[in-house]
Amino acid sequence: DAKTTQPPSMDCAEGRAANLPCNHSTISGNEYVYWYRQIHSQGPQYIIHGLKNNETNEMASLIITEDRKSSTLILPHATLRDTAVYYCIVRVATPEGGATNKLIFGTGTLLAVQP
Amino acid sequence: GAVVSQHPSRVICKSGTSVKIECRSLDFQATTMFWYRQFPKQSLMLMATSNEGSKATYEQGVEKDKFLINHASLTLSTLTVTSAHPEDSSFYICSASPNPFFTEAFFGQGTRLTVV
Repeated sequence: DAKTTQPPSMDCAEGRAANLPCNHSTISGNEYVYWYRQIHSQGPQYIIHGLKNNETNEMASLIITEDRKSSTLILPHATLRDTAVYYCIVRVATPEGGATNKLIFGTGTLLAVQP
Repeated sequence: GAVVSQHPSRVICKSGTSVKIECRSLDFQATTMFWYRQFPKQSLMLMATSNEGSKATYEQGVEKDKFLINHASLTLSTLTVTSAHPEDSSFYICSASPNPFFTEAFFGQGTRLTVV
């Protein structure tokens, strides 16, 4: 699986948009971009994923560049509860199951939402 | 969304004893579950892939005889830390997905193991 690069930490003011970047310059054509977050002392939580089109759900938006070498997770109106470590992961999605679907976590970005 | 439950959430055990951690998928069947370990201020480290009805697949450097994994049913995987030592103290987390593509993984709340 391709490696990702994220800034170690970011600050965001409450109520403002949080834009979290991720670089995945070696991504393969069949690899998806996934975003998870982990609030302190809890299990990770799925946020969103995409292949090449921009995606939006109730939690966030995912913007993937045309060359797919980088992406940005956008939390439109950050709240204090969004303070967490955000992980960007690239991986293929295959129905074969087993270890092929494992998620390898990098160091992520600690987003601190300030009041 | 789907629910993955771990039990216990916290456990303290004496050095040399064994501890079993359960991971259950409450509202879906999971042929594959993953076990992770997380040390303070570090990221999640994948330990092993738990496969229903067959042997687990361990990541490089993870001792399979120390971390026994049993995936006896489609809703339950267990991780047993055998002969635990203080260096095994960590946060253990499991994950599972209701779809074979595993596009959306659900994680348990984690188990904080402290070996004294």
